Amino acid sequence: NAGVMQNPRHLVRRRGQEARLRCSPMKGHSHVYWYRQLPEEGLKFMVYLQKENIIDESGMPKERFSAEFPKEGPSILRIQQVVRGDSAAYFCASSPSVPGRPSGANVLTFGAGSRLTVL
Amino acid sequence: AQKITQTQPGMFVQEKEAVTLDCTYDTSDPSYGLFWYKQPSSGEMIFLIYQGSYDQQNATEGRYSLNFQKARKSANLVISASQLGDSAMYFCAMREGGSSASKIIFGSGTRLSIRP
Repeated sequence: NAGVMQNPRHLVRRRGQEARLRCSPMKGHSHVYWYRQLPEEGLKFMVYLQKENIIDESGMPKERFSAEFPKEGPSILRIQQVVRGDSAAYFCASSPSVPGRPSGANVLTFGAGSRLTVL
Repeated sequence: AQKITQTQPGMFVQEKEAVTLDCTYDTSDPSYGLFWYKQPSSGEMIFLIYQGSYDQQNATEGRYSLNFQKARKSANLVISASQLGDSAMYFCAMREGGSSASKIIFGSGTRLSIRP
C-alpha cells in the first residue's frame, strides 16, 4: 500500500524558470489537495481537486500558479516564472470519498513534500 | 469564514508529564471536523486524531485525546506521559460542511519540545 507519492523531493530553479511538482494519491483516493508551507509557518491551503475537476482554488495565487488532476496520471502543481518568494515546501495530500459519512471523517494523508528552492 | 487559532508558538515540557496544546476555531457551519497533525523535524505530516462536531464523546487515540468543548469552540490536544519522540510541530485543522467538497485549513502550529 503505497502512500501519497510526491516528486521531486527537492527542486532547484532559477528565477523565471518553471517548476512542476507531481503528486500521486493513495490507491483508492479520489481527492487531492495542495498546501504550501514556508519555514516555521503552518500549511496554507492552495487548491483542492478531484479527477478532471478543480473543486476549490481559493488559495491559489491568481497568476503563475496552476494545478490539474487528469483522468490518468498524477496531479501536477505548476509554477511558471518562479520568483524567490515561491521557495517553500509544497505538500500534497489525498483523501477518499466515503458517501454517507461526514466529510470530516475523510482524513488527509500527506506526501513527504516537495521542497522548492528558487535561486 | 473559517479560522483556526493556536496561541502557543512554543512549549517546553518535562518528559513523562502530560501536555495540553490549545486550539480554538471559528465556524458558523454546524457540521465540521477537527484534526490534529504532528510534523517532526523530518518534515512529514502525521495524522493523530479526529473529532466530528456531532460526536458525543471526546476522541482518544492511545496517548492522544482531544478535549472538545463545543460551546467554547475549542479542541485542545492532550498528550499523556510525554516522550522525547513527541518533540515536533503540532497543527490543529478544521474542515467545514457535510459533504466531501470542502477544504481543510490549518492553524499556525505549536512547537513542542520535550526535556529529558
